Amino acid sequence: QLQLQESGPGLVRPSETLSLTCSVSGGSISSNSDYCGWIRQPPGKGLEWIGSINYSGTTYYNPSLKSRVTISVDTSKNQFSLNLNSVTAADTAVYYCARENNVVGMHWFDPWGQGTLVTVSS
Amino acid sequence: SSELTQDPAVSVALGQTVRITCQGDSLRSYSASWYQQKPGQAPVVVMYGKNNRPSGIPDRFSGSSSGNTASLTVTGAQAEDEADYYCNSRGRSGDHMVFGGGTKLTVL
Repeated sequence: QLQLQESGPGLVRPSETLSLTCSVSGGSISSNSDYCGWIRQPPGKGLEWIGSINYSGTTYYNPSLKSRVTISVDTSKNQFSLNLNSVTAADTAVYYCARENNVVGMHWFDPWGQGTLVTVSS
Repeated sequence: SSELTQDPAVSVALGQTVRITCQGDSLRSYSASWYQQKPGQAPVVVMYGKNNRPSGIPDRFSGSSSGNTASLTVTGAQAEDEADYYCNSRGRSGDHMVFGGGTKLTVL
């Protein structure tokens, strides 16, 4: 059973770069039609899609975050990474990674990691 | 504002039926998926495509779509269905994903 787990610092200073890793176990995201997505949720607020990447490294990003986001993949480690630069307090959120399934025009995120809280504060 | 619009809150009496809707122009071209999120937990997909329910999701959950609106219906709502529900689909341009603002479902 595929499992995803986020990891990274829980505290980031303003203006610095937030870096998180999503480790995949119990299988691999090895199809070009399957992506790994990053989604975040500020405390008490809704979900926001950040961006996604597939096994080959093809990415697509939220237009509102695109200038600050880089998502990459390390197939040898079965890991996906998120970098978000120039962070502010508004980037404080629980960050999730999830497999993004694409089948015959249908699209869904499953499974999800448990999420990791990142706080931006000095 | 989000490209997908949901009612912020909906309530239903125990055992009754409730429909949660998601509106957006992109839904005329792309299907939606639906996620249930309980406090302190990661979201869980409950519906994708027009009416595809993942294994383990009770059959009281069903999905439909018409025009610019996607709907998630809970027939015979149970106390454990009380949660936040989010829809997700592609944005208007098709080159990015977007979530609705979420609907808080209260089971009375």
